[in-house]
Amino acid sequence: GQSLEQPSEVTAVEGAIVQINCTYQTSGFYGLSWYQQHDGGAPTFLSYNALDGLEETGRFSSFLSRSDSYGYLLLQELQMKDSASYFCAVQANAGKSTFGDGTTLTVKP
Amino acid sequence: DTEVTQTPKHLVMGMTNKKSLKCEQHMGHRAMYWYKQKAKKPPELMFVYSYEKLSINESVPSRFSPECPNSSLLNLHLHALQPEDSALYLCASSQEGPWEQYFGPGTRLTVT
Repeated sequence: GQSLEQPSEVTAVEGAIVQINCTYQTSGFYGLSWYQQHDGGAPTFLSYNALDGLEETGRFSSFLSRSDSYGYLLLQELQMKDSASYFCAVQANAGKSTFGDGTTLTVKP
Repeated sequence: DTEVTQTPKHLVMGMTNKKSLKCEQHMGHRAMYWYKQKAKKPPELMFVYSYEKLSINESVPSRFSPECPNSSLLNLHLHALQPEDSALYLCASSQEGPWEQYFGPGTRLTVT
């Protein structure tokens, strides 16, 4: 099976930078994705890493180290609207993603 | 069109009722998914359809019955549900693989 670990809560102030870590254990590995979900909303795809390194998409970046079974999501220039839950999701086979328990990010003024 | 739509938005049903949830995507995606999400929990995969064929069933009880009439539509038929089945039911689709999924807004189901 697969297991993922990410912090349950993170708090930061507007304009700051925050990093949300995700470690995983899986018998196979295709890649690691990140999703954002606002309260009452649906998950929204943010980024995907299949290879080691950093992927940058605007204010959001995602990093993967396959050898360490570790990834992170980096959010820069935090805005109030970034307050949401963030899920990492691992693909251990070609057919499905398994989601971590999620990190609740609270951005304070 | 990059949207996944789901109907109804809300559904209240008794334990003896039969109802269906509907999902539609017009992005030409080859895979469609059903998830169940409880409050403050991650989405939990139920079923995966790939090229209109059921490819993954995550040992879901038979009171949930999926159907994929065509490449754009996905249904979830509900029968004899239990109160613990109350949750947000999310549909998603993807083109290349499960790493980039587009989710619909969900159906909030309450079983009384």
